[in-house]
Amino acid sequence: DTAVSQTPKYLVTQMGNDKSIKCEQNLGHDTMYWYKQDSKKFLKIMFSYNNKELIINETVPNRFSPKSPDKAHLNLHINSLELGDSAVYFCASSQGQAGGETQYFGPGTRLLVL
Amino acid sequence: AQSVSQHNHHVILSEAASLELGCNYSYGGTVNLFWYVQYPGQHLQLLLKYFSGDPLVKGIKGFEAEFIKSKFSFNLRKPSVQWSDTAEYFCAVEEYGNKLVFGAGTILRVKS
Repeated sequence: DTAVSQTPKYLVTQMGNDKSIKCEQNLGHDTMYWYKQDSKKFLKIMFSYNNKELIINETVPNRFSPKSPDKAHLNLHINSLELGDSAVYFCASSQGQAGGETQYFGPGTRLLVL
Repeated sequence: AQSVSQHNHHVILSEAASLELGCNYSYGGTVNLFWYVQYPGQHLQLLLKYFSGDPLVKGIKGFEAEFIKSKFSFNLRKPSVQWSDTAEYFCAVEEYGNKLVFGAGTILRVKS
């Protein structure tokens, strides 16, 4: 039983294309996140949603648009892909947004933009 | 904004050696601190966390970490490592409302 799942696992695409990454959690959590891990391995938060409402929106190009159709899903759509978007994208979830909560991570989606 | 420094990017140890991985964050106040671990082929998962109380925190698999407020540090320790501890270890500080700021990670390889 996968707690936080992401699809696809790998994504290779050309510059300028539009792509989506899907995330689903079956933990009954209210809060979900997207992180980007760059080539230097830093994991940086991009967005968080609590019960389908945007809570954290870091300085991310507006080509990135998260969508939460329900609290178990948080998808990431990327328009006009650029070389610098190549990274590993991780989805995570937590019970809520109170301090000190454990976040549960998905396996990551490795995006390569050519 | 917070930043997190992990001093060692790669650590190689023999089995039964003691481990200490350094982690420092940039400024004080009330902080919640975490160590996450990613075993080969597995998801990132919580190893241990501190958010109040005893500054010596015990986690899974015999790991512990000590929060030293005066040094802005949260170092991870294990007295005797095993081959199965081979993994990448990430320190993180919670800036606010579950916003985690991660360090760059430390890759630990334990030789059997």
